[in-house]
Amino acid sequence: TQLLEQSPQFLSIQEGENLTVYCNSSSVFSSLQWYRQEPGEGPVLLVTVVTGGEVKKLKRLTFQFGDARKDSSLHITAAQPGDTGLYLCAGARTSGSRLTFGEGTQLTVNP
Amino acid sequence: GAGVSQSPSNKVTEKGKDVELRCDPISGHTALYWYRQSLGQGLEFLIYFQGNSAPDKSGLPSDRFSAERTGGSVSTLTIQRTQQEDSAVYLCASSLRTSGGVETQYFGPGTRLLVL
Repeated sequence: TQLLEQSPQFLSIQEGENLTVYCNSSSVFSSLQWYRQEPGEGPVLLVTVVTGGEVKKLKRLTFQFGDARKDSSLHITAAQPGDTGLYLCAGARTSGSRLTFGEGTQLTVNP
Repeated sequence: GAGVSQSPSNKVTEKGKDVELRCDPISGHTALYWYRQSLGQGLEFLIYFQGNSAPDKSGLPSDRFSAERTGGSVSTLTIQRTQQEDSAVYLCASSLRTSGGVETQYFGPGTRLLVL
């Protein structure tokens, strides 16, 4: 049973389009993180959210943690080819516990 | 400063042979993780070391897989009698994990294993 479900699994869009990736669970998480992985490299942390309802912005990326701390979303505005990669959400059930990773969303932005 | 390094970067082996994968974590990081990743997929947790505590081996898929961490630093993941389904990218991550904080894992570039 996958604790964190990501959708969509694959997404291919044109440069300039907007997109949203979802990370859902039936469980409450103490914190949730988003990582991005480029081909041939390991994942790199983008953001951490810890408070229900929290919204964080990183340039064209907007991250939101659900009020109940069971879900999160990543919204990218005006996607660029450089945004191409595998986006992974990861959650900690309790403070200090190890992370559980979702299956990932493979994003391709075509020029 | 140096990040997490892994070696070899690529490994091709024949079915039935043993392989050893190495991970050098960031200096001072107390926690070390091994994950397996199939092409374009998420991360499958394998094993976790934290300080001097007994490792969490709950993710190891079979008894052909084992790992050790010497001196609280370098770790080696060993796969005995490799099978074709073992082909994947093996990622190592380290973190400065505290009991009450939010953890950030720092990943190495991975070892791409191909079993023929």
